[in-house]
Amino acid sequence: DSGVTQTPKHLITATGQRVTLRCSPRSGDLSVYWYQQSLDQGLQFLIQYYNGEERAKGNILERFSAQQFPDLHSELNLSSLELGDSALYFCASSPRGDGGTYEQYFGPGTRLTVT
Amino acid sequence: AQSVTQLDSQVPVFEEAPVELRCNYSSSVSVYLFWYVQYPNQGLQLLLKYLSGSTLVKGINGFEAEFNKSQTSFHLRKPSVHISDTAEYFCAVRNTGGFKTIFGAGTRLFVKA
Repeated sequence: DSGVTQTPKHLITATGQRVTLRCSPRSGDLSVYWYQQSLDQGLQFLIQYYNGEERAKGNILERFSAQQFPDLHSELNLSSLELGDSALYFCASSPRGDGGTYEQYFGPGTRLTVT
Repeated sequence: AQSVTQLDSQVPVFEEAPVELRCNYSSSVSVYLFWYVQYPNQGLQLLLKYLSGSTLVKGINGFEAEFNKSQTSFHLRKPSVHISDTAEYFCAVRNTGGFKTIFGAGTRLFVKA
């Protein structure tokens, strides 16, 4: 158990809908990262937040947004969903914003299915 | 810009045989290197990491990796695999002064009885 929690575990929704994925980092970790994992694209970095502020952006679509709250939990919002958004979405956390010598601790993921 | 190449997408191997999963990276600056493992229906977890010092790094579950700066490689090895090692393995790199970790495409290790 990494100490990172994600809810929900599974999510099934229709095209055009909007969903929110939630992540709670390990106790004491200030950075949260979001990743998308699909069969055709592999593991793609979406976005990083550090202590409430956006720190780095990867291949995140404009239809997707995220935020980190004062209690350090984070939410990833996916809107106008398309079939191609079906994937596993992972959250990871680490103690520092610059990574340092630390690895990332991954949650169990949310499996999103868009029908 | 950094990049990571995992040279094999799938590696089938018999139980108790040795295995090597290959990883090459490119970066113009010093890097930290990581290997993560993802078991079926789980998140990624750290196997081992190279930060500095000895180029041979030992990790969990009997895995080890060797950092080769001249060949920009960080290959993962295990002398004798078990069925339970069946999983996907990801190599990752981060600049020592940076905050973005780049992951490779993954290598699926399949251990056969």
